[in-house]
Amino acid sequence: GENVEQHPSTLSVQEGDSAVIKCTYSDSASNYFPWYKQELGKGPQLIIDIRSNVGEKKDQRIAVTLNKTAKHFSLHITETQPEDSAVYFCAATPSGGSYIPTFGRGTSLIVHP
Amino acid sequence: DGGITQSPKYLFRKEGQNVTLSCEQNLNHDAMYWYRQDPGQGLRLIYYSQIVNDFQKGDIAEGYSVSREKKESFPLTVTSAQKNPTAFYLCASSIYRGDQPQHFGDGTRLSIL
Repeated sequence: GENVEQHPSTLSVQEGDSAVIKCTYSDSASNYFPWYKQELGKGPQLIIDIRSNVGEKKDQRIAVTLNKTAKHFSLHITETQPEDSAVYFCAATPSGGSYIPTFGRGTSLIVHP
Repeated sequence: DGGITQSPKYLFRKEGQNVTLSCEQNLNHDAMYWYRQDPGQGLRLIYYSQIVNDFQKGDIAEGYSVSREKKESFPLTVTSAQKNPTAFYLCASSIYRGDQPQHFGDGTRLSIL
């Protein structure tokens, strides 16, 4: 089955800095890669996603890049703000079968004012 | 507003008891999911249902049971057979069967007395 590794587990930055979270996956059949943001005491919220036919996708201050050859994808947050502080999860979803994503273990992002 | 409602937010269980966690959605989504979240771990799939009256086991189904008698409801029962039930439980949904979870509830935290 799919295995998703996510790094770092904790990331601390100053407000205004950029933050990068990286994930690797093992199953070359995976073709959909969502990212979720989870605030304390809440459920995860889908914030951006990318499909395997695209190398990069941007949405305001967040962007995701995908390298299918190397089987890794990354979340980039620019001009971080304190409200970006949360746990971020990556996931990889296979193209066939149940379409159920495998999640990484999460990255706790702390943005210091 | 449409969304997923999980209740209760906090639940306490005595040893040997079964407890049922509620998940209701008014999004008219076909598919629903139950995940378990432990500290420092990603989301692990317990059960999912792509359509009414049908459900499939996820990676950690032992000690849990579900039903899907109505499209909007997907309750999870944590049975006494689950030896380590203390965790944060998340319910999710997606518009279509074969799609990835798009909306999550705010979770139920289950603790053992």
